Amino acid sequence: GQQLNQNPQSMFIQEGEDVSMNCTSSSIFNTWLWYKQDPGEGPVLLIALYKAGELTSNGRLTAQFGITRKDSFLNISASIPSDVGIYFCAGLSGGTYKYIFGTGTRLKVLA
Amino acid sequence: ETGVTQSPTHLIKTRGQQVTLRCSSQSGHNTVSWYQQALGQGPQFIFQYYREEENGRGNFPPRFSGLQFPNYSSELNVNALELDDSALYLCASRIEQESTDTQYFGPGTRLTVL
Repeated sequence: GQQLNQNPQSMFIQEGEDVSMNCTSSSIFNTWLWYKQDPGEGPVLLIALYKAGELTSNGRLTAQFGITRKDSFLNISASIPSDVGIYFCAGLSGGTYKYIFGTGTRLKVLA
Repeated sequence: ETGVTQSPTHLIKTRGQQVTLRCSSQSGHNTVSWYQQALGQGPQFIFQYYREEENGRGNFPPRFSGLQFPNYSSELNVNALELDDSALYLCASRIEQESTDTQYFGPGTRLTVL
């Protein structure tokens, strides 16, 4: 099935560092979503983006809807151990209900 | 805590068997979607039910079927299980009238096919 490309696939960072990850698609989306999934849990919505160029924050998280509508970015500032997990992007085209998820970025934080 | 529950938590089946997975949504959530998440992958959309009827489907064969009930519960049925069906199965519910992003996922059912 179709999946969006996420980079990096995984990363180790020191506690307190900032983190950047991105998601790219060959298709245009009208909505971009970022989720975090912990082991044994379902994905939890972090941020939703609705307009090209939009920049939205949720605490230490900031996400941007790319101008081309084919990409999105997520930044985490001053990472802490509980940021560990897998981050997924998801895109939604207009007039559809079918979320397309990315391949995930696995984040590991070294204390 | 999303208010969406799934059962069972884990399940082991053999190839060729049939399986039924269950999801209980939040009260009032009239739309439920099911996803398959293979190990190391993102969730893949299987289908969506709205008011007890399927109104959208991903690239999954007909042996994947579902039901949605008036009490906000739903089922995913898979016939003639194959080894590749081993995955985490997630349901997600929302209210159709609200924006599409407010979709709440359950914890999933881990299915292993031997």
